[in-house]
Amino acid sequence: GAVVSQHPSWVICKSGTSVKIECRSLDFQATTMFWYRQFPKQSLMLMATSNEGSKATYEQGVEKDKFLINHASLTLSTLTVTSAHPEDSSFYICSAMGLAGEQFFGPGTRLTVL
Amino acid sequence: EDKVVQSPLSLVVHEGDTVTLNCSYEVTNFRSLLWYKQEKKAPTFLFMLTSSGFEKKSGRLSSILDKKELFSILNITATQTGDSAVYLCAVGQTSGSRLTFGEGTQLTVNP
Repeated sequence: GAVVSQHPSWVICKSGTSVKIECRSLDFQATTMFWYRQFPKQSLMLMATSNEGSKATYEQGVEKDKFLINHASLTLSTLTVTSAHPEDSSFYICSAMGLAGEQFFGPGTRLTVL
Repeated sequence: EDKVVQSPLSLVVHEGDTVTLNCSYEVTNFRSLLWYKQEKKAPTFLFMLTSSGFEKKSGRLSSILDKKELFSILNITATQTGDSAVYLCAVGQTSGSRLTFGEGTQLTVNP
């Protein structure tokens, strides 16, 4: 149980294009999902908290117009990186919150912007 | 400011050794402490602890929480090369759902 999937697992795009990443909780419903990014040899950095049916809460320093989050259902949240640039290249990881407050992570999406 | 500190930051052992990883925290409105294992991809959930003094155990891994002294340890006995990973400690609070992560301990188990 508690499986979270992400799609795509890796993506390469040209600078200026937008990229959408999907996060799904496969065997449970998650009213709250989280989006993180992680740079090599660093810990997870929380970008935003995504609540089903309401606007996401962004962490300080994260541009909400740059990183669009939509949590349209209890099993799906999407992160769209708009007008991506090379500095947006990173490992993006989502997690879904379980009933006890634990977070189950997706396998991550490696984004490379050329 | 909420803080989670893990030690050591890195550790190299031989197969069969026992290791103890440490996590101390200073957060307001503590609710839970979680341990994760991260290999090449995203973290996988190991344990969640909410009460002091109760050991959680899964195979060769065990963990205990001390809410008075504000720390937790993760023990791995009879280590194997497959235990090599970054082990992350995270703390959840009653106010909100976010987790505060430590920097992680890089464990390397050599054959």
